[in-house]
Amino acid sequence: GQQLNQSPQSMFIQEGEDVSMNCTSSSIFNTWLWYKQDPGEGPVLLIALYKAGELTSNGRLTAQFGITRKDSFLNISASIPSDVGIYFCAGQEETSGSRLTFGEGTQLTVNP
Amino acid sequence: SAVISQKPSRDICQRGTSLTIQCQVDSQVTMMFWYRQQPGQSLTLIATANQGSEATYESGFVIDKFPISRPNLTFSTLTVSNMSPEDSSIYLCSGRQGWNEKLFFGSGTQLSVL
Repeated sequence: GQQLNQSPQSMFIQEGEDVSMNCTSSSIFNTWLWYKQDPGEGPVLLIALYKAGELTSNGRLTAQFGITRKDSFLNISASIPSDVGIYFCAGQEETSGSRLTFGEGTQLTVNP
Repeated sequence: SAVISQKPSRDICQRGTSLTIQCQVDSQVTMMFWYRQQPGQSLTLIATANQGSEATYESGFVIDKFPISRPNLTFSTLTVSNMSPEDSSIYLCSGRQGWNEKLFFGSGTQLSVL
């Protein structure tokens, strides 16, 4: 089945630094979603992307839908301690109907 | 966005028993899904809950083990049957308005099987 490669698996950064993570797929996607999950909670939607080349911001977060439609990245600028958590990408293939495939997640640790 | 309430939030169960998880959405959603998230892992789709008909299961998941109901557009249940320690996981309910719409999640059910 479809696989999503998300990297890096984990990041340890200092408060104030910028962060970048990305996801790549072997198939073409028509939707990319980025989520953040805190311990004991369900994933919370951060940004949704719907067309190739789309660049969308949500506060200090910026995500882009790759022009090949096989990748997406998420940037976090000027990180703060509450950015700690696991970030997941999720994509929907053109041929998968409504089902989403999730990346393996990026564990972000921010040192104050 | 839709607000999804899930209960119980956590439970500790004995091997061989069954647990039913309830999911309530504050608005009608076209699609509802159930995911499993094993410790330290990503999310794996169990099934699509279809309103008024049998759920559509993903490879590796069967109805006898994970029966699902969806009587209307705002409510669904997932039962984890004849549990074993390998079923210890977080179970997440999710919903979206349409096939290309945003997917929202409940807060999850943390299940531990002894």
